[in-house]
Amino acid sequence: GAGVSQSPRYKVAKRGQDVALRCDPISGHVSLFWYQQALGQGPEFLTYFQNEAQLDKSGLPSDRFFAERPEGSVSTLKIQRTQQEDSAVYLCASSSRTDLNYGYTFGSGTRLTVV
Amino acid sequence: KQEVTQIPAALSVPEGENLVLNCSFTDSAIYNLQWFRQDPGKGLTSLLLIQSSQREQTSGRLNASLDKSSGRSTLYIAASQPGDSATYLCAVTGAGANNLFFGTGTRLTVIP
Repeated sequence: GAGVSQSPRYKVAKRGQDVALRCDPISGHVSLFWYQQALGQGPEFLTYFQNEAQLDKSGLPSDRFFAERPEGSVSTLKIQRTQQEDSAVYLCASSSRTDLNYGYTFGSGTRLTVV
Repeated sequence: KQEVTQIPAALSVPEGENLVLNCSFTDSAIYNLQWFRQDPGKGLTSLLLIQSSQREQTSGRLNASLDKSSGRSTLYIAASQPGDSATYLCAVTGAGANNLFFGTGTRLTVIP
């Protein structure tokens, strides 16, 4: 596709519910990142994939958060037993290179509200 | 851990004015610094990327400078327009890191 596509755009979950957020990167992009952006804050790094390999998951806030990219294209961020503090916009970004001087393309994000 | 700070948090200017947004970071061992624009409900759009060996980058009415030793960057916007209204985010990539560290942004409003 022309850009990074994220779905759903909005998700309301009851506390304790599991959610899955999808990211379709630009076709052929090797690197894929997930970020979490709380209201009024800058995005914070969650995890990084190079093709299907998850090379860095140091930003995942707890073991309730899990990300995968099994075939090196589409990625899913799963949050189990959601809590109110998980409410945020989840942003996905992809890059055609592994050299980070080539920049990223960000998706529009999924806004998660936990009630 | 790298800390990125942006001042001011919000700025309102009349159309046509030149303005400067400020960004500071605590660890000067960076790989690059980027300025992004974020419109409400939208993702981030990359504006300028300055590699650690560079001092500045320019694109149209935008000019970004980098002083790595002092941990500072500025984004200069010339002849501001109402369409420039957005949140501007500064982010650094640490040396040896895979990810960006973002500031909290400056919300810019350009008044027609």
